[in-house]
Amino acid sequence: DVKVTQSSRYLVKRTGEKVFLECVQDMDHENMFWYRQDPGLGLRLIYFSYDVKMKEKGDIPEGYSVSREKKERFSLILESASTNQTSMYLCASSGLVDQPQHFGDGTRLSIL
Amino acid sequence: QKEVEQDPGPLSVPEGAIVSLNCTYSNSAFQYFMWYRQYSRKGPELLMYTYSSGNKEDGRFTAQVDKSSKYISLFIRDSQPSDSATYLCAPLIQGAQKLVFGQGTRLTINP
Repeated sequence: DVKVTQSSRYLVKRTGEKVFLECVQDMDHENMFWYRQDPGLGLRLIYFSYDVKMKEKGDIPEGYSVSREKKERFSLILESASTNQTSMYLCASSGLVDQPQHFGDGTRLSIL
Repeated sequence: QKEVEQDPGPLSVPEGAIVSLNCTYSNSAFQYFMWYRQYSRKGPELLMYTYSSGNKEDGRFTAQVDKSSKYISLFIRDSQPSDSATYLCAPLIQGAQKLVFGQGTRLTINP
């Protein structure tokens, strides 16, 4: 079974802080994704990566950056956290093309 | 118009009922169709994965795709309280990596 592990289930940070969310997958998947999920807005893609050191912007990249130094690890960075970034953050991975995505259990991030 | 439309519900049915969950989509390039189940405070879990038109059955679950009308369905037979969750449809263009998610339908099965 594919396992996608997110480092924290719950996280509380203050406005202006730099926040790191970590994600690790164990299936040697090429693609990795970061989403945020908000009530009434569904899942929105922030960034995805199709290879080590490669990334593409999703639908809502503003205020975020990502890092993929190793194939199994994909990090989401909030450069200067703001209250409107309070959300559920979900990481996913998938094989090369035409493959379903497999999700971690999410990080519920609160920015105070 | 959104690429994928899904009634958010909520949908509440008695235990044992047949449940029908539906999505419509606008992009005829979609070739793969996924259904995810998401329990409260958990990540989405892949439930069904189908290619092109037709039916696929897995236990109590049947996924149906009608590409001519751009309509996808998930049927749950003999529904159980443990089926209570949010169900998301997610089509995929062949050769692409990004899924397009519906908003999700919140389903409650009452004992």
